[in-house]
Amino acid sequence: GAGVSQSPSNKVTEKGKDVELRCDPISGHTALYWYRQSLGQGLEFLIYFQGNSAPDKSGLPSDRFSAERTGGSVSTLTIQRTQQEDSAVYLCASSLDAGGKFFGPGTRLTVL
Amino acid sequence: DQQVKQNSPSLSVQEGRISILNCDYTNSMFDYFLWYKKYPAEGPTFLISISSIKDKNEDGRFTVFLNKSAKHLSLHIVPSQPGDSAVYFCAASGRGGGATNKLIFGTGTLLAVQP
Repeated sequence: GAGVSQSPSNKVTEKGKDVELRCDPISGHTALYWYRQSLGQGLEFLIYFQGNSAPDKSGLPSDRFSAERTGGSVSTLTIQRTQQEDSAVYLCASSLDAGGKFFGPGTRLTVL
Repeated sequence: DQQVKQNSPSLSVQEGRISILNCDYTNSMFDYFLWYKKYPAEGPTFLISISSIKDKNEDGRFTVFLNKSAKHLSLHIVPSQPGDSAVYFCAASGRGGGATNKLIFGTGTLLAVQP
């Protein structure tokens, strides 16, 4: 399809394990964002990539979280040594320079 | 520190009536505001936006009003339809970045439109 896709759609992991979440943005979109929504909370900004500029990592909650965007397209969000409080829906969005953001369906992460 | 606040977690409205969803913000640097709609198990979808140089933007049944002095915006849906039932998120960005900057989201309001 032409929208933002994310994989996996659901991920269950054990506390202490590492996880990788993938985002395929809309082709041609230069900006890519990661957000997460914890139960009963709003969407929390995590990280923002814009073209070749250094990413804005100001929303990452700890150094266990990292993200990269390869070739200006696909992005991977990595959470190391997962904790139960990391359980949330992780949402990726992309946009053109002057356009609205298009969100993917999210990855529901459950840390047992 | 919640910079964007949606104080009503839920709202119930009769079909055909007006739905008014409210949002307050604290950061005077915000200059672009958006509303997103989210159905269960789906990502949020963009609904309507407004720049701080305007006080109203209308798109079909949806109108967003911005009151900069009060740091308040609202989304009006009229007439409301059962298909409008969803969680509505207010979002803001600042420093002239428009839609490309990172968005700060509110906690959402669950709208239920009763047939």
